[in-house]
Amino acid sequence: RKEVEQDPGPFNVPEGATVAFNCTYSNSASQSFFWYRQDCRKEPKLLMSVYSSGNEDGRFTAQLNRASQYISLLIRDSKLSDSATYLCVVPGGSYIPTFGRGTSLIVHP
Amino acid sequence: EPEVTQTPSHQVTQMGQEVILRCVPISNHLYFYWYRQILGQKVEFLVSFYNNEISEKSEIFDDQFSVERPDGSNFTLKIRSTKLEDSAMYFCASSEQVSTFNEQFFGPGTRLTVL
Repeated sequence: RKEVEQDPGPFNVPEGATVAFNCTYSNSASQSFFWYRQDCRKEPKLLMSVYSSGNEDGRFTAQLNRASQYISLLIRDSKLSDSATYLCVVPGGSYIPTFGRGTSLIVHP
Repeated sequence: EPEVTQTPSHQVTQMGQEVILRCVPISNHLYFYWYRQILGQKVEFLVSFYNNEISEKSEIFDDQFSVERPDGSNFTLKIRSTKLEDSAMYFCASSEQVSTFNEQFFGPGTRLTVL
């Protein structure tokens, strides 16, 4: 299994829709997980951290399933401005992070 | 709000030339990082730097690469003899502590094009 795997998409959804992405990881020792947002040709920006079972911030909910080794990101009431690539990041040993290739989200009117 | 800055925003060079990418981390941060992202690919860790020495480096960070903190503000990445496959976006990041990845702040990146 690849270290961090994401469905590349694109996920094409209408405004107001709920969309969910999954990310699977191979390092069972990982304790923390992160979702970053990356706009085209821009730097990654932290969206959410996940340390235990999950985290919620407004329209965004991240959940962790340790048994199956995946984390998910749920976006409710999608906005046009949510269009971006969502990166799953799993720090490995010595804090070296492994990034997924990202899931592309396109929210259309 | 403090931010990481990088210069230049775009660097074009000929294969075999040396390039130096510059970063100014956030002023009270002590840990510095370089990442690269080849177009359409994932972000890849290159190196971390603390107390004037490399803390960790990936397999990508071979002898062609070096990092330096030449003064109290700049953090540089040098590629000695560029190859076509070095074309990528290079992101600098900094953090106050090393313990949690989410405390890293990324700069806007330098797009390197090797011809």
